[in-house]
Amino acid sequence: QSALTQPPSVSGSPGQSVTISCTGTSSDIGSYNRVSWYQQPPGTAPRLIIYDVRHRPSGVPDRFSGSKSDYTASLTISGLQAEDEADYYCSSYTTSSTWVFGGGTKVTVL
Amino acid sequence: EVQLVESGGGLIQPGGSLRISCAASGFIVSSKYMSWVRQARGKGLEWVSVIYSGGSTYYADSVKGRFTISRDNSKNTLYLQMDTLRADDTAVYYCARGYYDSNGYYYYGMDVWGQGTTVTVSS
Repeated sequence: QSALTQPPSVSGSPGQSVTISCTGTSSDIGSYNRVSWYQQPPGTAPRLIIYDVRHRPSGVPDRFSGSKSDYTASLTISGLQAEDEADYYCSSYTTSSTWVFGGGTKVTVL
Repeated sequence: EVQLVESGGGLIQPGGSLRISCAASGFIVSSKYMSWVRQARGKGLEWVSVIYSGGSTYYADSVKGRFTISRDNSKNTLYLQMDTLRADDTAVYYCARGYYDSNGYYYYGMDVWGQGTTVTVSS
């Protein structure tokens, strides 16, 4: 159960787009469209922003979008806003019926 | 209002046991899949365990054989029994609910999280 691989940090100016990658294996991302993404501002609990690769729960702005290709999932934040500054985590269901998270990516709005 | 409230965390010596709880309101715990996720200070999220509505349970390799997830339907509460605790189990423990639509179909994501309870394993 190795963690999914995310870049430690990404940054962008307000209004720009940033993309966070999440790389797994044939035992997780490569086997299912069961990837989710979470936003975690400092000192708060995680918030679900993407489920099943590309779907947004109600209330999540459409600036957040998800995709997947082979063993890599991606989260794109378009029209970056100051309130988007947070840690972001990907997660995937696995062939062992367990779940695995990525190491997290800190998004900085310049 | 849909809410999860964890409790029971504290300071425990290595090798000891602790049971943490997650009281749910606004929905029925036994009708959803429920997970425990932990986060060491300054570190990332780590999935710990899941219990499905049918009762099936699964664990991360790091806790398998030491931790047990369960629920009490009469109290609408989720539990995590933690035995043979080690220093690297020190973390904030969150309970989280699986995401379901209005038709009761489940998806792969956790949409409701508690505020977390802190477990510290130290002598």
